[in-house]
Amino acid sequence: QVHLQESGPGLVKPSETLSLTCTVSGYSISRGYYWGWIRQPPGKGPEWIGSIHHSGGTYYNPSLKSRVTTSIDTSKNQFSLRLSSVTAADTAVYYCAAHGGNYPNWFDPWGQGTLVTVSS
Amino acid sequence: QSALTQPPSASGSPGQSVTISCTGTSSDVGGYNYVSWYQQHPGKAPKLMIYEVNKWPSGVPDRFSGSKSGNTASLTVSGLQAEDEADYYCSSYAGRNNFVFGTGTKVTVL
Repeated sequence: QVHLQESGPGLVKPSETLSLTCTVSGYSISRGYYWGWIRQPPGKGPEWIGSIHHSGGTYYNPSLKSRVTTSIDTSKNQFSLRLSSVTAADTAVYYCAAHGGNYPNWFDPWGQGTLVTVSS
Repeated sequence: QSALTQPPSASGSPGQSVTISCTGTSSDVGGYNYVSWYQQHPGKAPKLMIYEVNKWPSGVPDRFSGSKSGNTASLTVSGLQAEDEADYYCSSYAGRNNFVFGTGTKVTVL
């Protein structure tokens, strides 16, 4: 059974860079799938951030593209997110998820999520 | 891109059916058969319930069903049960390797 777990700082200062890592167990990320990041501000709906393939191919939300970088480490079965120049508007629960299907088009399963607060 | 539009709330009694709509445009919902639905209980991660408009992931009961007409997709929950009370979000491929989620619907079991 595939399991994903996010890790990283829960508090980031404005203008700094948010960094999160997702560790995958029960499935080798080099076998396939894209691997995605989604965030959900408190009380709001989810927002897709970006996705990465083990080959290095990436897709990013156009509204965040200038600030987002993703990477993948198949030796550790992990993938990572970096979001630069954060503001209070980036405060959210951040989830990682397997991103499958054609294009791909669905997210399953998801990690439990980690709350990141942007505040000085 | 704009979030897909869902009604803020929906409700039904146990055993009844409830249908949630998800309205987009011809660039997302209407343009592709790549609509998925997610269930989220408070404090939990979203769970995939329907993918590619009307397909079930393993383990999801067939009380949940999906459909699409034009730019609007729908999720129907039949035989409502107490554990179906949750927030539901739709999502759609929006072309050019882009994805958009819905605004969310809170389903209440009366």
